[in-house]
Amino acid sequence: EAQVTQNPRYLITVTGKKLTVTCSQNMNHEYMSWYRQDPGLGLRQIYYSMNVEVTDKGDVPEGYKVSRKEKRNFPLILESPSPNQTSLYFCASSVQGGEETQYFGPGTRLLVL
Amino acid sequence: RKEVEQDPGPFNVPEGATVAFNCTYSNSASQSFFWYRQDCRKEPKLLMSVYSSGNEDGRFTAQLNRASQYISLLIRDSKLSDSATYLCVVNFPNFNKFYFGSGTKLNVKP
Repeated sequence: EAQVTQNPRYLITVTGKKLTVTCSQNMNHEYMSWYRQDPGLGLRQIYYSMNVEVTDKGDVPEGYKVSRKEKRNFPLILESPSPNQTSLYFCASSVQGGEETQYFGPGTRLLVL
Repeated sequence: RKEVEQDPGPFNVPEGATVAFNCTYSNSASQSFFWYRQDCRKEPKLLMSVYSSGNEDGRFTAQLNRASQYISLLIRDSKLSDSATYLCVVNFPNFNKFYFGSGTKLNVKP
């Protein structure tokens, strides 16, 4: 089954404790992206990747890191989480960027205390 | 100013009604336009892309007005299952960065 998976789905952590949210797709897509969704603000793009070893900042990259060492994986790293990073996070992939349909993972709910 | 703006609603309509949503975008260099549907904080799913000439998919019609910088979504013969939040998505400036509206909530009632 073609899909985007994210882990964990739910996470409660404390300020400053490094964490990684994994994202994996099995569709051989070149483009992958991370978004956060907050009430009243919609989805905002954090980082995106056009292909292996090619990443770029989205609209709200501060406090996040990403890497793309393999085509299928695009982990999101929070080196020192803060309460303002409490949010619902979605990973997405598409064949390429631009006009292509993005397929989203099920989301990760993060609470930073 | 937000890059993409939508009326948050909710739009409460009876089954069978026709309902229309608009979405405005700020950057005239925007390249691609989409409507996504999101159910109750689940993942967004593509409803339809929006082409310059307008496009239709069953009960759904999308249109683009570049001069006024807005896109629209028309839903005819609303079904209960159409109840969801509809997200307007625009990409610019380098074709790989995406901006989402905050969504318009639709409630279709029996």
